[in-house]
Amino acid sequence: KAGVTQTPRYLIKTRGQQVTLSCSPISGHRSVSWYQQTPGQGLQFLFEYFSETQRNKGNFPGRFSGRQFSNSRSEMNVSTLELGDSALYLCASSAGQGTGGANVLTFGAGSRLTVL
Amino acid sequence: AQTVTQSQPEMSVQEAETVTLSCTYDTSESDYYLFWYKQPPSRQMILVIRQEAYKQQNATENRFSVNFQKAAKSFSLKISDSQLGDAAMYFCAYRSGFGNEKLTFGTGTRLTIIP
Repeated sequence: KAGVTQTPRYLIKTRGQQVTLSCSPISGHRSVSWYQQTPGQGLQFLFEYFSETQRNKGNFPGRFSGRQFSNSRSEMNVSTLELGDSALYLCASSAGQGTGGANVLTFGAGSRLTVL
Repeated sequence: AQTVTQSQPEMSVQEAETVTLSCTYDTSESDYYLFWYKQPPSRQMILVIRQEAYKQQNATENRFSVNFQKAAKSFSLKISDSQLGDAAMYFCAYRSGFGNEKLTFGTGTRLTIIP
């Protein structure tokens, strides 16, 4: 069974540009969550999508957005990049059927974004 | 809001010995789940063990076990017979039991295995 796939693995952008990251969940998983990991702030929740709807959102500015497609693949977009957006962006998928602990989140390897 | 605290930024242990990583959390919810994730240098977060708050029995997965003290809101991870491959960052995480997929993470503990 294939795991969670994130692309690209590494990317370099300059301030003011925008970036789109992609996440393909485990087959059959309908929930996709995104996290930002930085040395200073640690792991912070960005948002969660389930069946193409955003169910939950973290405390990030509107420059951070996402979407989910009918095949459960998800993308996140960051517009007008700032230096502080440099981070590892992790995607996680789960069955997301609202049965709590039974839905273990499986993470991808992450996308490392560097903003110059 | 829920918070998760890991007070040990770094720990080290001799190979084959036992080490315990600490985690405390704060919540007003009665239904929740706790997790330990491992993040090796490859950066991929790997689930180590999980605990349902309504279960009194401590979870165990091979060499990994937890000491879940619900009243004290404590959730420590014990690694027995430590191996070189256990070297990683370990994160404690909380999730509400109310159909919410959001994980709240602690700041992590970097575990070094001494050969």
